[in-house]
Amino acid sequence: SQQGEEDPQALSIQEGENATMNCSYKTSINNLQWYRQNSGRGLVHLILIRSNEREKHSGRLRVTLDTSKKSSSLLITASRAADTASYFCATEASGTYKYIFGTGTRLKVLA
Amino acid sequence: DTAVSQTPKYLVTQMGNDKSIKCEQNLGHDTMYWYKQDSKKFLKIMFSYNNKELIINETVPNRFSPKSPDKAHLNLHINSLELGDSAVYFCASSQGRPGGIQYFGAGTRLSVL
Repeated sequence: SQQGEEDPQALSIQEGENATMNCSYKTSINNLQWYRQNSGRGLVHLILIRSNEREKHSGRLRVTLDTSKKSSSLLITASRAADTASYFCATEASGTYKYIFGTGTRLKVLA
Repeated sequence: DTAVSQTPKYLVTQMGNDKSIKCEQNLGHDTMYWYKQDSKKFLKIMFSYNNKELIINETVPNRFSPKSPDKAHLNLHINSLELGDSAVYFCASSQGRPGGIQYFGAGTRLSVL
């Protein structure tokens, strides 16, 4: 299967709630990124976490990385309707120059 | 000003035709990429160029040929289009060596009939 798989595949929440999505990967990595894709648009970088970091914050976003479990999570707090999008994790495998993208989580935030 | 722009946005063509997609970035980045996103939203890298030099060439049919006339441009030419080539193609760029934070274009939706 693919390097970088997100779960859940789809998530529907009410505005104001928190959204958590997870990413699992298979090989050792240099870093991991999260991207957002609005419908019909390109991907937008959200946050990058290096393999020696365990947690990073950016505004309402919190990313954790557990290299022993080869997993990462993205938490969006106090979600808004504008957060509705697909979210992808991307891993840069050690010794390579390429990012492998996951299959994405489709988040829908209901107003 | 659009940072990474690709044209056309939509491309509808018949099987067997040859088509090109153009990409330009005005960010001064050294590395550019082409990705293919299929109908299930799976995004897969195709090619990466660093300062006009091919760095990554994934298992892509040789009907696909990237061309980088300068480090601000990376075009994708596709020969003998097939139904399975229908997808959204994204161009991206990043600073420095391949990898790192990538800036994506809006995508080109290719439909092969």
